[in-house]
Amino acid sequence: EPEVTQTPSHQVTQMGQEVILRCVPISNHLYFYWYRQILGQKVEFLVSFYNNEISEKSEIFDDQFSVERPDGSNFTLKIRSTKLEDSAMYFCASRGLSSYEQYFGPGTRLTVT
Amino acid sequence: SQQGEEDPQALSIQEGENATMNCSYKTSINNLQWYRQNSGRGLVHLILIRSNEREKHSGRLRVTLDTSKKSSSLLITASRAADTASYFCAPNTGNQFYFGTGTSLTVIP
Repeated sequence: EPEVTQTPSHQVTQMGQEVILRCVPISNHLYFYWYRQILGQKVEFLVSFYNNEISEKSEIFDDQFSVERPDGSNFTLKIRSTKLEDSAMYFCASRGLSSYEQYFGPGTRLTVT
Repeated sequence: SQQGEEDPQALSIQEGENATMNCSYKTSINNLQWYRQNSGRGLVHLILIRSNEREKHSGRLRVTLDTSKKSSSLLITASRAADTASYFCAPNTGNQFYFGTGTSLTVIP
């Protein structure tokens, strides 16, 4: 069964450093999403991406964040200058054109020290 | 916001019993989805109900939707220990999904 994959599974970085989180969505999906979940809290929507551009984003998704689909398979989330409060699980998700069902990846645990 | 709010926050039942979780939301929707999350893992889609549907079944899951009250319920029948997880509703209109804080379900063997 096709699945969304994410790398790395765990990333440790120092405050102020840039990080890139990578996702490979399901191959025939057209909508892509990033979410984050701070430990013990709810899953928060960050951004949705369709047709090579951001379609919607939340208040959390400020200028420190960017997304890119650099090729036909990867979907990345970049945090330019990480802060301690960026420590969280980051989930990528994708869905097809005709279904609202989202498929989530296993997540990347980001730890900012 | 489109965020759903689940109720109760926590639910503990014996294996074999039924579990009912509720979701309330504030805006009009196209559909409402329920997801499950096992600790530290990604969300798994369970079931989607469209705004023109009132009830839907999938295996041991039954979802209802009352658009006049802006509420939905998820019923898990004959619960199993493996159903232990957090359950989230996601009311949906456009291309953004706002999850609530979820219902943490514990099924005691």
